Amino acid sequence: DADVTQTPRNRITKTGKRIMLECSQTKGHDRMYWYRQDPGLGLRLIYYSFDVKDINKGEISDGYSVSRQAQAKFSLSLESAIPNQTALYFCATSDFGTGGTGELFFGEGSRLTVL
Amino acid sequence: AQSVTQPDIHITVSEGASLELRCNYSYGATPYLFWYVQSPGQGLQLLLKYFSGDTLVQGIKGFEAEFKRSQSSFNLRKPSVHWSDAAEYFCAVGGPGTYKYIFGTGTRLKVLA
Repeated sequence: DADVTQTPRNRITKTGKRIMLECSQTKGHDRMYWYRQDPGLGLRLIYYSFDVKDINKGEISDGYSVSRQAQAKFSLSLESAIPNQTALYFCATSDFGTGGTGELFFGEGSRLTVL
Repeated sequence: AQSVTQPDIHITVSEGASLELRCNYSYGATPYLFWYVQSPGQGLQLLLKYFSGDTLVQGIKGFEAEFKRSQSSFNLRKPSVHWSDAAEYFCAVGGPGTYKYIFGTGTRLKVLA
């Protein structure tokens, strides 16, 4: 099984619908991240969390919310999806804070299409 | 401002040829530097990382990168490219104690048979 698991892997939805992307990890890391990837723009940070009670906005958080249900689970929600939120979304964990050197461990991505 | 620049959007090389992907960064403190590879339909996998010590670092799949502080660069190299290296490559910078990783916009590598 993958260390960082994202569900769903692919989702097509309509404008205005609420969507949740889920992420779970078995690496035991405290730090978790949600990134968005768009062609030509690289990866941009949406939200990050250092622990269950510590959640922070990234550079493009507008239109998104998150929930850290447990150390191992970090969900991203789009309350009312719009077409320009069509993108590939990645969850990642980091071993910073647990003696590591800051490598990010990525899930396989969730491709979201908003019609 | 902190930033990462990958000046080449696309690179095409022949199989067996050498490869160098460029990465320049701007970071106010001691940088931790990373190269990730993304194969089609896959997540990102770490190729190598630099955080201290020897400025020439070896990674997986025969890749290496050299940290040059004076040039603010961390270029990725491979002496002989294989067809399976076709992918998108991302350079990233972070730092000790910081939450923030800054990614470049990526370089897409095409390998000709």
